[in-house]
Amino acid sequence: NAGVTQTPKFRVLKTGQSMTLLCAQDMNHEYMYWYRQDPGMGLRLIHYSVGEGTTAKGEVPDGYNVSRLKKQNFLLGLESAAPSQTSVYFCASRRQGVTNQPQHFGDGTRLSIL
Amino acid sequence: KQEVTQIPAALSVPEGENLVLNCSFTDSAIYNLQWFRQDPGKGLTSLLLIQSSQREQTSGRLNASLDKSSGRSTLYIAASQPGDSATYLCAVRRADSWGKLQFGAGTQVVVTP
Repeated sequence: NAGVTQTPKFRVLKTGQSMTLLCAQDMNHEYMYWYRQDPGMGLRLIHYSVGEGTTAKGEVPDGYNVSRLKKQNFLLGLESAAPSQTSVYFCASRRQGVTNQPQHFGDGTRLSIL
Repeated sequence: KQEVTQIPAALSVPEGENLVLNCSFTDSAIYNLQWFRQDPGKGLTSLLLIQSSQREQTSGRLNASLDKSSGRSTLYIAASQPGDSATYLCAVRRADSWGKLQFGAGTQVVVTP
């Protein structure tokens, strides 16, 4: 009963390096989301996807790119990491078409940019 | 732009006391409101979801109320236990938002034995 799985759980990068965060869900959910959580600011939406092959910008998309090539996976990329991107990143998924379904969250990826 | 505020940022109570957590939002055009629990180093777990047409929702010791017109929701946890120690977040969903959520910063709760 995996639910939403995020890989990796921890990562330290140097400024300018690139990396990809992977989110995988096994619930056949159509909608997927990437959030970042910073101290005192709650979660903010980076990008989201309403289906395979579609993505859209959220509240704080700058510096990030995403792809949804398969329904179960949602990738978040940092092309050139900056210290301001040090944060905890959460992925979530949700079923389409069912009223008032909650979002299901992964355990997060803790990313530090030096 | 929707803003979601949770006050206080932190709260400490002795075991057995009732907990009252507050959430306010500036735009009343919401589809629903959710309360989440977050344990240290973990993701978010959905506790209660209140539809915009509802006034309250209950699950066990938890009760959440919603007053959409005044932009407020309250989460009540009865007879608190040390295991209730966690951060509690509220989030609102707009009707046109593809399920996107706007979160408050959370209230960190410590229940002392």
